[in-house]
Amino acid sequence: GAVVSQHPSWVICKSGTSVKIECRSLDFQATTMFWYRQFPKQSLMLMATSNEGSKATYEQGVEKDKFLINHASLTLSTLTVTSAHPEDSSFYICSAPTGTVGSAFFGQGTRLTVV
Amino acid sequence: KNQVEQSPQSLIILEGKNCTLQCNYTVSPFSNLRWYKQDTGRGPVSLTIMTFSENTKSNGRYTATLDADTKQSSLHITASQLSDSASYICVVRGTNAGKSTFGDGTTLTVKP
Repeated sequence: GAVVSQHPSWVICKSGTSVKIECRSLDFQATTMFWYRQFPKQSLMLMATSNEGSKATYEQGVEKDKFLINHASLTLSTLTVTSAHPEDSSFYICSAPTGTVGSAFFGQGTRLTVV
Repeated sequence: KNQVEQSPQSLIILEGKNCTLQCNYTVSPFSNLRWYKQDTGRGPVSLTIMTFSENTKSNGRYTATLDADTKQSSLHITASQLSDSASYICVVRGTNAGKSTFGDGTTLTVKP
């Protein structure tokens, strides 16, 4: 079935550097993708909605200049965490809607650790 | 404010036993309710999706029920296996703007 692939699955970076996370839809096109953040033992929190060919829509409280989203093609969305700090350490997950209203395929997640 | 509350927060059962996870929501108007399984360090995987008119839906050993009147859903796991150890997340989508609200999940541990 359709799969959403996320890369990398984990990354460790130094404080102040930027990290790019890729989310690809395999075997299907996704005009919309969603980016979530998940802290330990907590649920997923929607950060932004990525729209192919246009600007992303950010949820309240999410800094758009810090979390840069690019959705340049129908199969790829990227999230760049700029000037990362230790408090940005988290589990980042992307998803893409399926053909069923309200349903989505999720990527395998990216564990970001900022040291 | 739309809410999705799951219980219990965590659960430990022995392999082979059955268990039931609960999800209560206040999202209204309601579009659909989904149950996901999330293994540690992985993304969620869909188990079931139910619309307003559906009362029950099964996926192998997983059976979800929905009572739209009382705004309650349950996920029943039959003959549990060690691989069922995971977090189970209830997600409710409203019809207003299509926003989804995530529950905090129930962490299930199946022990041999």
